[in-house]
Amino acid sequence: AQTVTQSQPEMSVQEAETVTLSCTYDTSENNYYLFWYKQPPSRQMILVIRQEAYKQQNATENRFSVNFQKAAKSFSLKISDSQLGDTAMYFCALNNYGQNFVFGPGTRLSVLP
Amino acid sequence: GAVVSQHPSWVICKSGTSVKIECRSLDFQATTMFWYRQFPKQSLMLMATSNEGSKATYEQGVEKDKFLINHASLTLSTLTVTSAHPEDSSFYICSPPHESIAEAFFGQGTRLTVV
Repeated sequence: AQTVTQSQPEMSVQEAETVTLSCTYDTSENNYYLFWYKQPPSRQMILVIRQEAYKQQNATENRFSVNFQKAAKSFSLKISDSQLGDTAMYFCALNNYGQNFVFGPGTRLSVLP
Repeated sequence: GAVVSQHPSWVICKSGTSVKIECRSLDFQATTMFWYRQFPKQSLMLMATSNEGSKATYEQGVEKDKFLINHASLTLSTLTVTSAHPEDSSFYICSPPHESIAEAFFGQGTRLTVV
């Protein structure tokens, strides 16, 4: 069975600072995808960043970057220059091509002014 | 890019009534649709998978007679909550399997409140 763990239920960061959200996962597959989704109060799932497991290079998307450690099965999200609009729930998710997502329990991030 | 339209976005119903949630793929064909459920302050959990032309598959603990899933066409999957009870109040969201990493997306979700 595939599992995703997020060990930080809640985190806070000052505006303009940097914060890192942790995620570990377990899968027996060799080819898979990892995602970070943002869920604001509207509950819409907003894709933040994604990573293909076969790529060694860490994905980057503007202020968002990941630290992907395949051997350790770790996939952390770094948010730089945090903005008030980044306040939301963040879910780490694992996905095999064509299969359903497996989500972590989520981290509630609060960006403080 | 590909879009999934989910309707309604929110619904309030009385106990004992049924509610249908639709998930339409607007510019692509989906032979499969995943349905997730999210209880308050919890994560999303897969509850069932609809398959065009065959029966839906349900995750352990999900009552198939209560949550009727139909994949009527390549562009429409529906979830009907029958004889709804307050404990069915939740956020339901659909998502097709992504065929490439660029196409991982979700419907807008439906917030169901049963009173």
